Amino acid sequence: DAKTTQPPSMDCAEGRAANLPCNHSTISGNEYVYWYRQIHSQGPQYIIHGLKNNETNEMASLIITEDRKSSTLILPHATLRDTAVYYCIVGHDYKLSFGAGTTVTVRA
Amino acid sequence: GAGVSQTPSNKVTEKGKYVELRCDPISGHTALYWYRQSLGQGPEFLIYFQGTGAADDSGLPNDRFFAVRPEGSVSTLKIQRTERGDSAVYLCASGGRDTEAFFGQGTRLTVV
Repeated sequence: DAKTTQPPSMDCAEGRAANLPCNHSTISGNEYVYWYRQIHSQGPQYIIHGLKNNETNEMASLIITEDRKSSTLILPHATLRDTAVYYCIVGHDYKLSFGAGTTVTVRA
Repeated sequence: GAGVSQTPSNKVTEKGKYVELRCDPISGHTALYWYRQSLGQGPEFLIYFQGTGAADDSGLPNDRFFAVRPEGSVSTLKIQRTERGDSAVYLCASGGRDTEAFFGQGTRLTVV
C-alpha cells in the first residue's frame, strides 16, 4: 500500500474551518483516499473517502488534487468535539494501513 | 446491538497465560477485521475475515496469535503464552460489501 505523510499536529479555532493536508505521492490508480479519526480512548471513526473526485458528506469535505498525489480534509466548522487524531490512509478493499496521523486540537 | 461490541473492555493477564478476546460485529456484516494499537501509534492490521474464512492473516505477528470466526459472525482472537510486548488495545471492525469499516471500542490488554 502507498504511504502517506501528514503533519504531526495542528491547532484550529472553534467555529473556523480546519484544513488537514495529506501527501500520498506514490498512490496507485485504483487506490482510494480514506480519512478516519480517533477520539481519545475510542475506536477509529470513518469520516470520508474518495478516488478522484472531491467528496462531501455531513462530516467533512475531501479535496483530491488532479494528480492525486495529495489531498485535504476540510472540517467546515470545527467544534471542541472534533479534537482527535486524524488518519489519512490510501489503499483499497480491506487493509487499512494507519500511520501516526495528525493530532488536531480545537481551541475555544 | 447497533455497533461493534468487544469484550472484555479491559483484560489484565500474567505473562505466559492464554487469553481470548471477543468481537461481535454489526449484524449482517460479512467482513471482519482485527487491528492492534500500541500506545502513541496508529492501529496495525492483524487479520481480515470474509465470512468464515481468514482471507488475509498476514498481519498476525507470530504463531502465538490465532483468530477464528466459525459461523461468520462473532470472532475470537486468541493469544497463547502472552508476553509483555503483547500489551496493547486490540480493535475489531466490521463492514458490509462496499461499506467502510466500523470499529469497536477495543479491548485493552495488559500483560504483567
